[in-house]
Amino acid sequence: EIVLTQSPGTLSLSPGERATFSCRASQSVGIRDLAWYQQKSGQAPRLLIYATSDRATGVPDRFSGSGSGTDFTLTISRLEPEDFAVYYCQQYGGSPMFSFGQGTKLEVK
Amino acid sequence: QVQLQESGPGLVRPSETLSLTCSVSGASVRRYFWSWIRQSPGKGLEWIAYIYYSGNNIHYNPSLRSRVTISVDTSKNQLSLQMRSVTAADTAIYYCTGGVGAAGKFDHWGPGTRLTVSS
Repeated sequence: EIVLTQSPGTLSLSPGERATFSCRASQSVGIRDLAWYQQKSGQAPRLLIYATSDRATGVPDRFSGSGSGTDFTLTISRLEPEDFAVYYCQQYGGSPMFSFGQGTKLEVK
Repeated sequence: QVQLQESGPGLVRPSETLSLTCSVSGASVRRYFWSWIRQSPGKGLEWIAYIYYSGNNIHYNPSLRSRVTISVDTSKNQLSLQMRSVTAADTAIYYCTGGVGAAGKFDHWGPGTRLTVSS
């Protein structure tokens, strides 16, 4: 079973700052098999990044993804007020077929 | 524009069978791949089942495989999930999701349907 561990649990930053989210896998994940989602309170998750670094349709270019093997990163270059939410990483192809990290909450400092 | 809308009973008694439906618009259930995902405070986001109709391809989370069935109704353009012998641990928000292209991502999500298991 592939377990995804996200850190930190909570990230406290101010608008305009840079945010970095970490996702560590218990086993190697293919670069095409790692995605990131944003979830705002009361809403369904929204796909941000897929295949480690490809932005989904309509996602601003301040969002970027990187990584390989067992270590992956989501970066928001300059925070906007609407970016404060919970962020999840997700892998495909392991066992179970899909799994998610526990999430990182981005809150206003 | 792909839109998904889940529907369900809201409240189910323990040991009963849960049936959820997802109505799909803007895409054919024959051509995308579909999953059910749930979210509870205790377990976060949990993938339940996957179906790719055109490839006759179905996969289940091993932890739930014995209790769930995923299917599509092409005549209604709907996705369904049946979960048997529910317990309080199945209380969650259930999401219908759809993906296109690379199989490993969930491009589209419904708003979710809340399910409570209680007597």
